[in-house]
Amino acid sequence: AQKITQTQPGMFVQEKEAVTLDCTYDTSDQSYGLFWYKQPSSGEMIFLIYQGSYDEQNATEGRYSLNFQKARKSANLVISASQLGDSAMYFCAMREDDQTGANNLFFGTGTRLTVIP
Amino acid sequence: NAGVTQTPKFQVLKTGQSMTLQCAQDMNHEYMSWYRQDPGMGLRLIHYSVGAGITDQGEVPNGYNVSRSTTEDFPLRLLSAAPSQTSVYFCASSVLRNTDTQYFGPGTRLTVL
Repeated sequence: AQKITQTQPGMFVQEKEAVTLDCTYDTSDQSYGLFWYKQPSSGEMIFLIYQGSYDEQNATEGRYSLNFQKARKSANLVISASQLGDSAMYFCAMREDDQTGANNLFFGTGTRLTVIP
Repeated sequence: NAGVTQTPKFQVLKTGQSMTLQCAQDMNHEYMSWYRQDPGMGLRLIHYSVGAGITDQGEVPNGYNVSRSTTEDFPLRLLSAAPSQTSVYFCASSVLRNTDTQYFGPGTRLTVL
């Protein structure tokens, strides 16, 4: 079974509007972390935001926020006030915590976001 | 502080050839890993290490070897390249149990003919 599911292969958003990218995850662990990365056409992986499974508040980083719904196992990324530079591939990822502290990530298949002027 | 460096950036191999992808980091990170990214897919973990002398398999380890003799370096060896190993390879490093970014290298684009 897929550990991370991103059901939106592509999304369009008007510049200055907000957009939500969906992510659901599957784990039986109690301790885990959720990440969002941005991959522009140049190919590098850019970290956006992190949410720990025990964090009670939704994570926010500037224009990015993570809508964490633990019971539904969802970790949607909300980008407010979209900019043309936000056009990129977005990946949701999960780390299941273990005693070694390894940061092994399971990635979803990504959502390609296009911002329309 | 160079971060995570990978060499080469591009490589073309013939089926059956072997090669080593180099990865180095200068941040004294305990954790290092290798991922591959295939078209239309997310990254998948190949091998990882939580410290010098310690390595373990990830999700897709077949056809690859790793070693970690120093904290800084984590090379990935392709033993006998196959067309199915055509991919973009990313190396990453971080502190253990990180709560923010892993630092990714720029990637190596490998084509196996």
